[in-house]
Amino acid sequence: EAQVTQNPRYLITVTGKKLTVTCSQNMNHEYMSWYRQDPGLGLRQIYYSMNVEVTDKGDVPEGYKVSRKEKRNFPLILESPSPNQTSLYFCASSLLAGGGRPWWETQYFGPGTRLLVL
Amino acid sequence: GQQVMQIPQYQHVQEGEDFTTYCNSSTTLSNIQWYKQRPGGHPVFLIQLVKSGEVKKQKRLTFQFGEAKKNSSLHITATQTTDVGTYFCALPLRGYSGGGADGLTFGKGTHLIIQP
Repeated sequence: EAQVTQNPRYLITVTGKKLTVTCSQNMNHEYMSWYRQDPGLGLRQIYYSMNVEVTDKGDVPEGYKVSRKEKRNFPLILESPSPNQTSLYFCASSLLAGGGRPWWETQYFGPGTRLLVL
Repeated sequence: GQQVMQIPQYQHVQEGEDFTTYCNSSTTLSNIQWYKQRPGGHPVFLIQLVKSGEVKKQKRLTFQFGEAKKNSSLHITATQTTDVGTYFCALPLRGYSGGGADGLTFGKGTHLIIQP
C-alpha cells in the first residue's frame, strides 16, 4: 500500500532534549516536506527536499534540521526543543512533474505526529 | 515572501446549501492546489490547477483558477455531512516557480461546519 509513515505518532518531551521524528515513503517520490500545524495559523512548511542531499528552507525553519540521505526517508530533527515547538507535525511526499514544469504532483501526507514540549 | 489570504475562516451552512471558499495571492502563480482535512485527520489532496481561467469539476466540487492566476475558488454544491472539514489552498512559496519545484505555502483554511 502506497503510504507515508511517521514515527512516533505522539511524543511528550522536555525542553532541550534532542529528538528525531522519522518520515518514510514507499512511492519513490522525489519531493518530501515537513509541515507544522497550529490553531489559527494553518499549515506552515518547515523544510522541503527535492531529492537526495537537496534540502531547502520553507516558511518556518528556525529550530529544526533535516537530512535526506536516502530517497525514501526524511527525518526531522529538533536539536534543542522548546515549548513553542509544541505542535502537530506532518510529513508529505510527491512526485515532481518533470519535463521542466515547476510544480508537484499529488502530495501525500502522513498521519501526523503530535509533539508536546514541556 | 508569498502572501496568501483565504476567506472565509469559518462557514456554517445548512445541509443542502452551497459553500464557497476563496484563495487570493499577492503575486501571479504558476499553479495552485486544494486540500481537505477532516477533523482529526491529515490533509488530503483534492486537485491542482495550472492554467489561466481553468475550471475543473469533481462531482459536487468545482474549482476555478482566475484569469490573472492570482486567485482561486472552491465551490461545493448541495453540501452533505461528509463535506465537513477544513479546506486549504496551497501555492508555491515564491509564487511562480520558474526553474523547478519550490516550497509550498498554505492558506489558513476555511472550516466548513454543516448543520443537519
